[in-house]
Amino acid sequence: GAGVSQSPSNKVTEKGKDVELRCDPISGHTALYWYRQSLGQGLEFLIYFQGNSAPDKSGLPSDRFSAERTGGSVSTLTIQRTQQEDSAVYLCASSARGQGDYGYTFGSGTRLTVV
Amino acid sequence: KNQVEQSPQSLIILEGKNCTLQCNYTVSPFSNLRWYKQDTGRGPVSLTIMTFSENTKSNGRYTATLDADTKQSSLHITASQLSDSASYICVVSYNTNAGKSTFGDGTTLTVKP
Repeated sequence: GAGVSQSPSNKVTEKGKDVELRCDPISGHTALYWYRQSLGQGLEFLIYFQGNSAPDKSGLPSDRFSAERTGGSVSTLTIQRTQQEDSAVYLCASSARGQGDYGYTFGSGTRLTVV
Repeated sequence: KNQVEQSPQSLIILEGKNCTLQCNYTVSPFSNLRWYKQDTGRGPVSLTIMTFSENTKSNGRYTATLDADTKQSSLHITASQLSDSASYICVVSYNTNAGKSTFGDGTTLTVKP
């Protein structure tokens, strides 16, 4: 597609349930990022995938969070045993490495609400 | 520690007026600096990108400046419109090969008629 697509756009889940958030980056973009944005807060880095390299997981807040990127394209962010503090907007971005401009293209995000 | 600080945190102006948003950073080594606009409920969208050697860059009514010596950047919005109401985020990259960037918390701009 023309942009970064995220699904679902909104997700309400019960505390303790697992959730999966999906990101479909721009075709050909080798770099993919997940960020979290809590209400009124800045963007918090979670994880970074670059090609076939091992992902940079340094931003994941706990072992309940994990992410995969299959075939160098679609990525899934999984949150296990969700807690209320996980409520936030989860943004995915992709970037075309090697063009000199590492600008990100962001998706519209998934708004997660844990009740 | 790499940090990006933006000011003011929020700003309200009347339609048609100009405004300037500030971004100070301590990121090192510096690679580039970008300003993003984030409308409510949307992902951030890039406005400008500047490298070390660039002092100013314009995108329509948006003009960004960069002083690499003082590690300061500003985003000037001219003749504001209601659609300029958004959060403006300053992002400084320090290792593009590793995808490393530091995000500011943003300035929330409200343009009133």
